[in-house]
Amino acid sequence: GAGVSQSPSNKVTEKGKDVELRCDPISGHTALYWYRQSLGQGLEFLIYFQGNSAPDKSGLPSDRFSAERTGGSVSTLTIQRTQQEDSAVYLCASSSSATPNTEAFFGQGTRLTVV
Amino acid sequence: AQSVAQPEDQVNVAEGNPLTVKCTYSVSGNPYLFWYVQYPNRGLQFLLKYITGDNLVKGSYGFEAEFNKSQTSFHLKKPSALVSDSALYFCAVRDPYQLIWGAGTKLIIKP
Repeated sequence: GAGVSQSPSNKVTEKGKDVELRCDPISGHTALYWYRQSLGQGLEFLIYFQGNSAPDKSGLPSDRFSAERTGGSVSTLTIQRTQQEDSAVYLCASSSSATPNTEAFFGQGTRLTVV
Repeated sequence: AQSVAQPEDQVNVAEGNPLTVKCTYSVSGNPYLFWYVQYPNRGLQFLLKYITGDNLVKGSYGFEAEFNKSQTSFHLKKPSALVSDSALYFCAVRDPYQLIWGAGTKLIIKP
């Protein structure tokens, strides 16, 4: 597609439920990132995928968070047993490579509200 | 560890005046610096980047940024502000592939 696509754009869920957030990166981009944006924490790195390499999961805040990337393209971020502190905007980005001089392009984000 | 600071939470500028949004960085090695803009309820849009070479970098929407190694700064500038430039601006540094973000600066352009 022309840009990074994320779905859903908004998600309201009850505390304790599982949620899945989807990211469709720009076609041909090998690197994919998930970030979280919240009022108290600003922008935080969550996880990074590059090609077929093992992902860097160092930013995931707890073991309730996981992500996968199928076929080197679409990625799903899963949050199990959601808590109110998980409420945030989840942003996905992709870039044409993982070299430091390459800019990342972001999707519109998924606003997650846990009630 | 790499870090970025945006010392101003908010910047107010009259339309037509020049604007500056400040960013300072702390990195080991060569810095790869980026500016992004976020409009309300929108994702982040890439504005410009500094990799190497010319210290004045030109980007989208008439924005430019000046890299200053001695002052470890990468300030975003525009000669003449538009009301439509009102948004949240983020400075970031690559470390080495994830982006480390500043806290953001809200830019308000008043007619």
